[in-house]
Amino acid sequence: GAVVSQHPSRVICKSGTSVKIECRSLDFQATTMFWYRQFPKQSLMLMATSNEGSKATYEQGVEKDKFLINHASLTLSTLTVTSAHPEDSSFYICSASNQPTGVAFFGQGTRLTVV
Amino acid sequence: DQQVKQNSPSLSVQEGRISILNCDYTNSMFDYFLWYKKYPAEGPTFLISISSIKDKNEDGRFTVFLNKSAKHLSLHIVPSQPGDSAVYFCAASVGTDKLIFGTGTRLQVFP
Repeated sequence: GAVVSQHPSRVICKSGTSVKIECRSLDFQATTMFWYRQFPKQSLMLMATSNEGSKATYEQGVEKDKFLINHASLTLSTLTVTSAHPEDSSFYICSASNQPTGVAFFGQGTRLTVV
Repeated sequence: DQQVKQNSPSLSVQEGRISILNCDYTNSMFDYFLWYKKYPAEGPTFLISISSIKDKNEDGRFTVFLNKSAKHLSLHIVPSQPGDSAVYFCAASVGTDKLIFGTGTRLQVFP
């Protein structure tokens, strides 16, 4: 299957700082990337849809000024958690899709801990 | 509004037997369904998919069945192996739009 790489896999930051997470499609061009968040023992919750060259589409309840998404190229999307707070601590996962069949391939996830 | 539901949070199956994971959906516009497997602290891994024009898709030990009239799909794993122990998510989409995930079912395969 296609390979999606996410970096870093784990990050600890101080409250009030910003953290950037990268999502790369390694062997295909991804016109669309998705960012999810998962709380313990819960499902994957879609945060936003990132389209190359245009503004991201955020799901209801997701603060676009807090979770900045940039999809500058067909192989890279970034999620920046700005002014992070402990409640932002979570597991963030990206996925990339460039197939008419709708199959999305996921990165390995990033565990963010805000202290 | 939970559009994709997995009502069984957990399932325990003996090695060698069949595992059946179920998923229900409410949105009749969904035309593509997928199953993912997830280990803790890792991203989901794609397993198998099915489009709404089919009622069955098979790939090795994994078979997905779709019952559109009942808005129900299931994943069969035969024979189950200890390495299959993980959380399984079903997901649905309209075309290539965003995936909507179920809440997951934790499968444990014991010897």
